[in-house]
Amino acid sequence: GNSVTQMEGPVTLSEEAFLTINCTYTATGYPSLFWYVQYPGEGLQLLLKATKADDKGSNKGFEATYRKETTSFHLEKGSVQVSDSAVYFCALTPVSGGSYIPTFGRGTSLIVHP
Amino acid sequence: NAGVTQTPKFQVLKTGQSMTLQCAQDMNHNSMYWYRQDPGMGLRLIYYSASEGTTDKGEVPNGYNVSRLNKREFSLRLESAAPSQTSVYFCASRFSGGSYNEQFFGPGTRLTVL
Repeated sequence: GNSVTQMEGPVTLSEEAFLTINCTYTATGYPSLFWYVQYPGEGLQLLLKATKADDKGSNKGFEATYRKETTSFHLEKGSVQVSDSAVYFCALTPVSGGSYIPTFGRGTSLIVHP
Repeated sequence: NAGVTQTPKFQVLKTGQSMTLQCAQDMNHNSMYWYRQDPGMGLRLIYYSASEGTTDKGEVPNGYNVSRLNKREFSLRLESAAPSQTSVYFCASRFSGGSYNEQFFGPGTRLTVL
């Protein structure tokens, strides 16, 4: 079956530090890949996505590149802010099966200190 | 455009009581989902509805029932609540028809069963 593996948190950084959150996946075919962010007390919201190999998704200074050869979709940001403190979820949606049920990683908590 | 709305936001039940969590979306999405989120467990799919008139079990359906009332509304019922059902419940919707569409999440219902 499909699976998504994320690095365990919490990830603790100082403001303006570089961020990487690793995500690898197992799936048949070429799934679509997503990063969602969950701020405290809220639901998940889409941060970025990529739908085919070598695509780069970007939003709010965050980037992730769909790497088919390494089955990875690592999230990066060059300079984090305190307001980026949240939980980040990597997810995939398969290309077959009809119902397109997403598979989520367990989430990585990011804490940014001033 | 309210997106995905959930009621109630908070609920406390006693063991054995029943309740229904309500979810509605105004984006004309075909697919709707119910998840629970527990610390360290990420998101787990309870039930989903790929289209109006259909529902299917997810990863953790025991103790729950659902109703897809119409295209907009998808409710989750706990017939006899147990402490193990203490969790945060999220409803989500998605425009189906391809793997590239993201999910939209509601703000969540925080349920405590005593």
